[in-house]
Amino acid sequence: DAGITQSPRYKITETGRQVTLMCHQTWSHSYMFWYRQDLGHGLRLIYYSAAADITDKGEVPDGYVVSRSKTENFPLTLESATRSQTSVYFCASSEVFGRGNTGELFFGEGSRLTVL
Amino acid sequence: GENVEQHPSTLSVQEGDSAVIKCTYSDSASNYFPWYKQELGKRPQLIIDIRSNVGEKKDQRIAVTLNKTAKHFSLHITETQPEDSAVYFCAAKNKAGTALIFGKGTTLSVSS
Repeated sequence: DAGITQSPRYKITETGRQVTLMCHQTWSHSYMFWYRQDLGHGLRLIYYSAAADITDKGEVPDGYVVSRSKTENFPLTLESATRSQTSVYFCASSEVFGRGNTGELFFGEGSRLTVL
Repeated sequence: GENVEQHPSTLSVQEGDSAVIKCTYSDSASNYFPWYKQELGKRPQLIIDIRSNVGEKKDQRIAVTLNKTAKHFSLHITETQPEDSAVYFCAAKNKAGTALIFGKGTTLSVSS
Protein backbone atom coordinates (compact mmCIF):
# COMPACT_ATOMS: atom_id res chain seq x y z
CA ASP A 1 0.00 0.00 0.00
CA ALA A 2 1.94 3.00 -1.27
CA GLY A 3 -0.44 5.62 0.16
CA ILE A 4 0.45 9.03 -1.20
CA THR A 5 3.60 9.55 -3.24
CA GLN A 6 5.25 12.56 -4.78
CA SER A 7 7.72 12.80 -7.61
CA PRO A 8 10.32 13.96 -8.14
CA ARG A 9 11.57 14.19 -4.57
CA TYR A 10 14.29 16.64 -5.62
CA LYS A 11 14.38 18.93 -8.61
CA ILE A 12 16.73 21.69 -9.74
CA THR A 13 15.61 23.89 -12.59
CA GLU A 14 16.25 27.31 -14.08
CA THR A 15 14.09 30.41 -14.10
CA GLY A 16 11.57 30.43 -16.92
CA ARG A 17 11.34 26.66 -17.28
CA GLN A 18 8.15 24.70 -16.80
CA VAL A 19 8.14 22.18 -13.99
CA THR A 20 5.51 19.62 -13.02
CA LEU A 21 5.36 18.01 -9.60
CA MET A 22 3.37 14.81 -9.47
CA CYS A 23 1.16 13.54 -6.66
CA HIS A 24 -0.49 10.13 -6.63
CA GLN A 25 -2.64 8.54 -3.93
CA THR A 26 -3.92 4.98 -3.78
CA TRP A 27 -6.73 5.51 -1.24
CA SER A 28 -9.30 7.07 -3.61
CA HIS A 29 -9.52 10.07 -1.28
CA SER A 30 -11.81 12.79 -2.60
CA TYR A 31 -9.82 15.77 -1.38
CA MET A 32 -6.30 16.62 -2.44
CA PHE A 33 -4.16 19.63 -1.57
CA TRP A 34 -0.90 21.31 -2.50
CA TYR A 35 1.06 23.26 0.11
CA ARG A 36 4.42 24.93 -0.01
CA GLN A 37 6.67 25.13 3.02
CA ASP A 38 9.12 27.98 3.49
CA LEU A 39 11.08 29.09 6.53
CA GLY A 40 9.12 31.72 8.38
CA HIS A 41 5.93 31.05 6.45
CA GLY A 42 4.92 27.59 7.55
CA LEU A 43 2.62 25.66 5.23
CA ARG A 44 0.76 27.76 2.71
CA LEU A 45 -2.10 26.41 0.62
CA ILE A 46 -1.57 26.71 -3.14
CA TYR A 47 -4.51 24.82 -4.65
CA TYR A 48 -6.91 22.12 -3.60
CA SER A 49 -9.42 19.80 -5.19
CA ALA A 50 -12.63 18.36 -3.79
CA ALA A 51 -13.03 15.77 -6.54
CA ALA A 52 -11.99 14.99 -10.11
CA ASP A 53 -12.38 18.04 -12.35
CA ILE A 54 -12.97 20.36 -9.37
CA THR A 55 -10.14 22.64 -8.24
CA ASP A 56 -9.96 25.80 -6.15
CA LYS A 57 -7.36 28.43 -5.37
CA GLY A 58 -5.72 28.60 -1.99
CA GLU A 59 -3.68 31.35 -0.35
CA VAL A 60 -0.83 31.56 -2.88
CA PRO A 61 -2.00 30.31 -6.31
CA ASP A 62 -0.20 32.77 -8.58
CA GLY A 63 2.29 31.12 -10.93
CA TYR A 64 0.84 27.64 -10.44
CA VAL A 65 -1.57 25.47 -12.42
CA VAL A 66 -3.27 22.27 -11.31
CA SER A 67 -5.47 19.66 -12.88
CA ARG A 68 -7.40 16.66 -11.58
CA SER A 69 -8.55 14.49 -14.44
CA LYS A 70 -8.37 11.36 -12.26
CA THR A 71 -9.20 11.03 -8.58
CA GLU A 72 -5.79 9.57 -7.74
CA ASN A 73 -3.60 12.19 -9.41
CA PHE A 74 -3.15 15.88 -8.67
CA PRO A 75 -0.19 17.36 -10.58
CA LEU A 76 1.12 20.85 -9.84
CA THR A 77 2.72 22.79 -12.70
CA LEU A 78 4.89 25.86 -12.47
CA GLU A 79 4.44 27.32 -15.92
CA SER A 80 7.49 29.61 -15.80
CA ALA A 81 9.50 28.96 -12.67
CA THR A 82 10.84 31.88 -10.63
CA ARG A 83 13.42 31.92 -7.81
CA SER A 84 10.67 32.79 -5.33
CA GLN A 85 9.14 29.39 -6.07
CA THR A 86 12.13 27.63 -4.55
CA SER A 87 10.48 25.68 -1.77
CA VAL A 88 9.44 22.31 -0.42
CA TYR A 89 6.11 21.27 -1.86
CA PHE A 90 3.78 18.93 -0.01
CA CYS A 91 0.82 17.16 -1.49
CA ALA A 92 -1.87 15.87 0.86
CA SER A 93 -5.12 13.96 0.62
CA SER A 94 -8.16 13.45 2.80
CA GLU A 95 -11.02 11.00 2.59
CA VAL A 96 -13.64 13.22 4.17
CA PHE A 97 -13.06 16.88 4.51
CA GLY A 98 -15.53 19.33 3.03
CA ARG A 99 -17.97 21.69 4.66
CA GLY A 100 -19.43 20.23 7.82
CA ASN A 101 -16.94 17.38 7.90
CA THR A 102 -13.49 16.95 9.37
CA GLY A 103 -10.76 14.59 8.40
CA GLU A 104 -7.08 13.94 8.70
CA LEU A 105 -4.80 15.20 5.98
CA PHE A 106 -2.24 12.61 4.89
CA PHE A 107 0.86 14.24 3.50
CA GLY A 108 3.29 12.98 0.92
CA GLU A 109 7.03 13.05 1.60
CA GLY A 110 7.50 16.37 -0.12
CA SER A 111 9.27 17.60 -3.25
CA ARG A 112 12.20 19.92 -2.80
CA LEU A 113 12.39 22.34 -5.73
CA THR A 114 15.29 24.70 -6.36
CA VAL A 115 14.97 27.35 -9.04
CA LEU A 116 18.30 28.85 -10.11
CA GLY B 1 -10.30 34.47 4.47
CA GLU B 2 -9.19 32.62 7.57
CA ASN B 3 -6.01 33.81 9.24
CA VAL B 4 -4.18 31.70 11.80
CA GLU B 5 -1.55 33.25 14.05
CA GLN B 6 0.78 30.98 16.03
CA HIS B 7 3.10 31.77 18.93
CA PRO B 8 5.86 31.36 19.85
CA SER B 9 7.88 30.65 16.72
CA THR B 10 10.52 28.82 18.77
CA LEU B 11 10.33 27.19 22.18
CA SER B 12 13.10 25.54 24.18
CA VAL B 13 12.37 23.46 27.27
CA GLN B 14 14.14 21.00 29.51
CA GLU B 15 13.10 17.37 29.43
CA GLY B 16 10.21 16.85 31.80
CA ASP B 17 8.93 20.42 31.56
CA SER B 18 5.63 21.39 29.98
CA ALA B 19 5.30 23.22 26.66
CA VAL B 20 2.42 25.39 25.50
CA ILE B 21 1.84 26.66 21.98
CA LYS B 22 -0.95 29.13 21.26
CA CYS B 23 -2.92 29.96 18.13
CA THR B 24 -5.56 32.49 17.28
CA TYR B 25 -7.95 32.41 14.34
CA SER B 26 -10.00 35.09 12.66
CA ASP B 27 -13.18 33.41 11.36
CA SER B 28 -15.69 32.98 14.17
CA ALA B 29 -17.46 30.31 12.08
CA SER B 30 -14.42 28.01 12.19
CA ASN B 31 -15.28 24.72 13.88
CA TYR B 32 -12.30 22.41 13.52
CA PHE B 33 -8.77 22.88 14.87
CA PRO B 34 -6.10 20.24 14.29
CA TRP B 35 -2.47 20.15 15.32
CA TYR B 36 0.23 18.61 13.14
CA LYS B 37 3.75 17.58 14.10
CA GLN B 38 6.62 17.59 11.64
CA GLU B 39 9.87 15.95 12.62
CA LEU B 40 13.03 17.06 10.89
CA GLY B 41 13.02 15.99 7.25
CA LYS B 42 9.65 14.27 7.56
CA ARG B 43 6.10 14.99 6.50
CA PRO B 44 3.56 16.67 8.83
CA GLN B 45 1.32 14.26 10.73
CA LEU B 46 -1.84 14.83 12.72
CA ILE B 47 -1.35 14.46 16.47
CA ILE B 48 -4.60 15.79 17.92
CA ASP B 49 -7.63 17.80 16.88
CA ILE B 50 -10.62 19.46 18.51
CA ARG B 51 -14.05 20.45 17.28
CA SER B 52 -15.85 23.59 18.33
CA ASN B 53 -18.40 21.82 20.52
CA VAL B 54 -15.63 20.66 22.86
CA GLY B 55 -13.52 22.80 25.19
CA GLU B 56 -10.67 20.40 25.84
CA LYS B 57 -9.35 17.12 24.52
CA LYS B 58 -6.54 14.97 25.90
CA ASP B 59 -4.47 12.14 24.52
CA GLN B 60 -1.84 10.89 26.95
CA ARG B 61 0.73 13.69 27.33
CA ILE B 62 -0.84 16.08 24.85
CA ALA B 63 -3.97 18.16 25.20
CA VAL B 64 -5.69 20.87 23.24
CA THR B 65 -7.92 23.58 24.68
CA LEU B 66 -10.29 25.83 22.77
CA ASN B 67 -11.73 29.20 23.72
CA LYS B 68 -14.29 30.10 21.07
CA THR B 69 -15.14 33.45 22.62
CA ALA B 70 -11.55 34.61 22.40
CA LYS B 71 -10.95 32.68 19.17
CA HIS B 72 -7.85 30.93 20.38
CA PHE B 73 -6.72 27.37 20.96
CA SER B 74 -3.62 25.92 22.55
CA LEU B 75 -1.52 22.76 22.49
CA HIS B 76 -0.19 21.53 25.81
CA ILE B 77 2.55 18.92 26.07
CA THR B 78 3.37 17.65 29.54
CA GLU B 79 6.48 15.75 30.68
CA THR B 80 8.28 16.61 27.47
CA GLN B 81 10.77 14.15 26.02
CA PRO B 82 13.54 14.62 23.44
CA GLU B 83 11.38 12.88 20.82
CA ASP B 84 8.86 15.71 21.18
CA SER B 85 11.39 17.96 19.44
CA ALA B 86 9.77 18.95 16.14
CA VAL B 87 7.87 21.70 14.37
CA TYR B 88 4.24 21.95 15.45
CA PHE B 89 1.55 23.51 13.27
CA CYS B 90 -1.91 24.58 14.27
CA ALA B 91 -4.62 24.93 11.64
CA ALA B 92 -8.19 25.99 11.05
CA LYS B 93 -10.51 25.46 8.14
CA ASN B 94 -10.77 28.11 5.44
CA LYS B 95 -13.91 30.23 5.06
CA ALA B 96 -15.45 27.73 2.64
CA GLY B 97 -14.72 24.90 5.06
CA THR B 98 -12.95 22.94 2.33
CA ALA B 99 -9.25 23.23 3.20
CA LEU B 100 -6.91 23.80 6.12
CA ILE B 101 -5.07 27.05 6.74
CA PHE B 102 -1.95 26.53 8.85
CA GLY B 103 -0.13 28.73 11.28
CA LYS B 104 3.55 29.47 10.67
CA GLY B 105 4.73 26.75 13.01
CA THR B 106 6.55 26.47 16.32
CA THR B 107 9.94 24.79 16.55
CA LEU B 108 10.04 22.95 19.87
CA SER B 109 13.41 21.84 21.21
CA VAL B 110 13.53 19.54 24.22
CA SER B 111 16.95 19.18 25.78
CA SER B 112 17.89 16.35 28.11
